[in-house]
Amino acid sequence: EVQLVESGGGLVLPGGSLRLSCSGSGFIFSSFWMSWVRQRPGKGLEWLANIKPAGIDKYYVDSAKGRFFISRDNAENSVYLQMDSLRVEDTAIYYCVRDLGNSQAFWGQGTLVTVSS
Amino acid sequence: DIVMTQSPVSLPVTPGEPASISCRSSQSLLHSDGNKYLQWYLQKPGQSPRLLIYLASNRASGVPDRFSGSESGTDFTLKISRVEAEDVGIYYCMQALHSPLTFGGGTRVEIK
Repeated sequence: EVQLVESGGGLVLPGGSLRLSCSGSGFIFSSFWMSWVRQRPGKGLEWLANIKPAGIDKYYVDSAKGRFFISRDNAENSVYLQMDSLRVEDTAIYYCVRDLGNSQAFWGQGTLVTVSS
Repeated sequence: DIVMTQSPVSLPVTPGEPASISCRSSQSLLHSDGNKYLQWYLQKPGQSPRLLIYLASNRASGVPDRFSGSESGTDFTLKISRVEAEDVGIYYCMQALHSPLTFGGGTRVEIK
């Protein structure tokens, strides 16, 4: 069974940092692009970043460049999102997604990040 | 960035009746491989999104055949032949041809 389990969310002060993790199982993790997508409370979906299978090529939405950093460790079947200089408007559920944009797309259950003082 | 425009925003449906959701892209989604990189997702209440349709008209694994996707130019349509109560939720289209990947604003389907 394919599973993606996100962790690392929580309450953080504005200006703080968080590192989200996503652990995959039930599939050959090293073969797939991985993405992070977020959903602000009551809002739609926003793609943030993705990373190629080898982990060298990474792509970001403009609003995430310079603050969010995606990485992966195929030996650990994990993908990460380092988020720095967090703002109130970064409050959202953050989803890890396998193969977004292709036929094997699969979403984790998400982890909630709350940025508040 | 490619803008994806969905309509309607809300769609009350009657079980057993058909339903249709539209999505328009601001640019062509035609890849050089001949495919259009448009996907449809359903986010049921309290759940993460699930892939329904990829490459505009291909059903994902395990998706009931009452769901179908079609396209004409930059206009895309998701059709449900006979709505069931379990189909309620928010439907999103997403383009996967150009970075940044972008989603439509969503269509909330609810039972009348």
